[in-house]
Amino acid sequence: GENVEQHPSTLSVQEGDSAVIKCTYSDSASNYFPWYKQELGKGPQLIIDIRSNVGEKKDQRIAVTLNKTAKHFSLHITETQPEDSAVYFCAASTGYSTLTFGKGTMLLVSP
Amino acid sequence: KAGVTQTPRYLIKTRGQQVTLSCSPISGHRSVSWYQQTPGQGLQFLFEYFSETQRNKGNFPGRFSGRQFSNSRSEMNVSTLELGDSALYLCASSLKVLAHRQETQYFGPGTRLLVL
Repeated sequence: GENVEQHPSTLSVQEGDSAVIKCTYSDSASNYFPWYKQELGKGPQLIIDIRSNVGEKKDQRIAVTLNKTAKHFSLHITETQPEDSAVYFCAASTGYSTLTFGKGTMLLVSP
Repeated sequence: KAGVTQTPRYLIKTRGQQVTLSCSPISGHRSVSWYQQTPGQGLQFLFEYFSETQRNKGNFPGRFSGRQFSNSRSEMNVSTLELGDSALYLCASSLKVLAHRQETQYFGPGTRLLVL
């Protein structure tokens, strides 16, 4: 089955810096890659997703890039703010399968 | 539009008991998936239901079961609880209609289960 590796497990940045989280997947048939943000006491919330026919997608301060050849995708957050502090999860799916999640990255943005 | 709701939010049980968790999806969503979240294993898929039929199943023992009703609401049941079943159980709904195309999954707040 699919295996998703996520790095780093923790990431500390200063407010205003950029943050990058990377994920690799094993199943070349995967074609859907969402990113979720989970705050304490809440369920994961989708922040951005990308499908395999697209190499990059942006939404304000957030962007995701996908390299199908290398089987990795990354989340980029620019101009980080303290409210960006949370746990971020990447996931992959072949469409038929459900989501396989990475282990998560705890992002801490210091003022 | 109301989000995914889960009840109860917190639950304490003892080993050997059974528990039933409930999930109400977003209106119009017919696909419901369940996940178990623990600090050690992360988010792990339990099962997916669509139109009252189980469409996918994760690698969990038979003590974990689920069902979906005609109004798309779903329940999951864990029998003979073990200490290791302590976790946050998350439900997610989506508009996924085509079996081969994954759509956005919207998560509920989860039910935190503690097994003593």
